[in-house]
Amino acid sequence: NAGVTQTPKFRILKIGQSMTLQCTQDMNHNYMYWYRQDPGMGLKLIYYSVGAGITDKGEVPNGYNVSRSTTEDFPLRLELAAPSQTSVYFCASSYGGLAGHEQYFGPGTRLTVT
Amino acid sequence: AQSVSQHNHHVILSEAASLELGCNYSYGGTVNLFWYVQYPGQHLQLLLKYFSGDPLVKGIKGFEAEFIKSKFSFNLRKPSVQWSDTAEYFCAVNARQAGTALIFGKGTTLSVSS
Repeated sequence: NAGVTQTPKFRILKIGQSMTLQCTQDMNHNYMYWYRQDPGMGLKLIYYSVGAGITDKGEVPNGYNVSRSTTEDFPLRLELAAPSQTSVYFCASSYGGLAGHEQYFGPGTRLTVT
Repeated sequence: AQSVSQHNHHVILSEAASLELGCNYSYGGTVNLFWYVQYPGQHLQLLLKYFSGDPLVKGIKGFEAEFIKSKFSFNLRKPSVQWSDTAEYFCAVNARQAGTALIFGKGTTLSVSS
């Protein structure tokens, strides 16, 4: 199993541009998550999904959108990039949520907005 | 709102020294507790987790953590660190009644000198 994969690994955007961060998992997990990691701030949840067709906001959803058309894929969309979105983005997945199942993380996407 | 506090931002140790990283959370209900590690250039990996039962849990690479409910704490320990333990360590909490999200602490950077 590849686990959780993310593309691209690095990206530089200009202010106002848009892009999609891709996330795929091959573990048949129902739950998927997007976090951003800023230096000294830990990880903050942007959006999550409990299954195909179902998404919900996390702690810091502004400026982002998600969709979940399949179990495997959970793309994160930035519509109008802003410097405040410069961060490292991690996608994660887990089998179930309520029992606190372990979340498996992807390698991350380092995004710079200038 | 739930929060997780990691009291040490940066810890510097020599090889063979003992390690204890503090983690406190604020939530009065039932929780699941995790320690994740992020080695340089890598993604987050689970070190250990607590769901229920014995409050002393053992994880990979000789790490252990003790859940003390009365103190809302879940401190990470290792009796003898190695240079390869140099990494960033994150404590995370899932409040079972609050759904699937993990709330992360800001992280502790551990530097081990050989």
